[in-house]
Amino acid sequence: QQNVQQSPESLIVPEGARTSLNCTFSDSASQYFWWYRQHSGKAPKALMSIFSNGEKEEGRFTIHLNKASLHFSLHIRDSQPSDSALYLCAVDNNRIFFGDGTQLVVKP
Amino acid sequence: EAAVTQSPRNKVAVTGGKVTLSCNQTNNHNNMYWYRQDTGHGLRLIHYSYGAGSTEKGDIPDGYKASRPSQENFSLILELATPSQTSVYFCASGGSSYEQYFGPGTRLTVL
Repeated sequence: QQNVQQSPESLIVPEGARTSLNCTFSDSASQYFWWYRQHSGKAPKALMSIFSNGEKEEGRFTIHLNKASLHFSLHIRDSQPSDSALYLCAVDNNRIFFGDGTQLVVKP
Repeated sequence: EAAVTQSPRNKVAVTGGKVTLSCNQTNNHNNMYWYRQDTGHGLRLIHYSYGAGSTEKGDIPDGYKASRPSQENFSLILELATPSQTSVYFCASGGSSYEQYFGPGTRLTVL
C-alpha cells in the first residue's frame, strides 16, 4: 500500500515569497506524480504533473522529482494571495493515492 | 473542457435512510472515483471503477456501495446512512497519466 505524506501541514507566507511544499511516497515503482490545488469551497483541480526525474516549470510554479529519494516538491515563485488554497500531492500507479494536503495562506 | 457533474448538490438524510449520490462524466474516461472530504482534510478514496460493470474498494469502503452501470455513470450508495457519513463527497474521472477531473461535490448531512 502506497504511503503518501505531505509537509508542512500548513504554511503562512507574505506576498512575493518563494513557497516550497513537500511530498514523500513509499513505492519506488510509482510512475505519475501530480499536484492538485483546491480553493475554499471548490473542487480540486490539477495544477501540474511530472513523470520522470528532474524539474518542470510552468510560469511561477516548478515541480522537482527525485525518485531515488522518494520525494517530489512544488515551488511557487512570487506567491500571490490568489495562491491561498489547499495543495494536494498525488501519486498514481493505476490507483491514485493522495496526501493529506498543505494549507497555504499568502498574506498581502 | 472535461466535464463531471454530480447530483444532488446538497442532501439532508435521516439516520438509517438510504442515500444515492450520482455522478456523470462526458470525458469518455475509463476510470471513475468517489472520495469524501471532511472539513480541513484531504481526500479519502471510497470506491473506484476501471470501466462499466467494475467497482473496486478504496481505502474507506465500509458502509458504502458503488455501481457503474455505464461508462458515463457512477453511483455511490449509502444503504443505512449514519451521522458519521456527514461529509462532502467528490466524484472524479481520469487518472494515471491523465489528470483527474472532479465534479463540484455533494454536501451530505445525516441527522
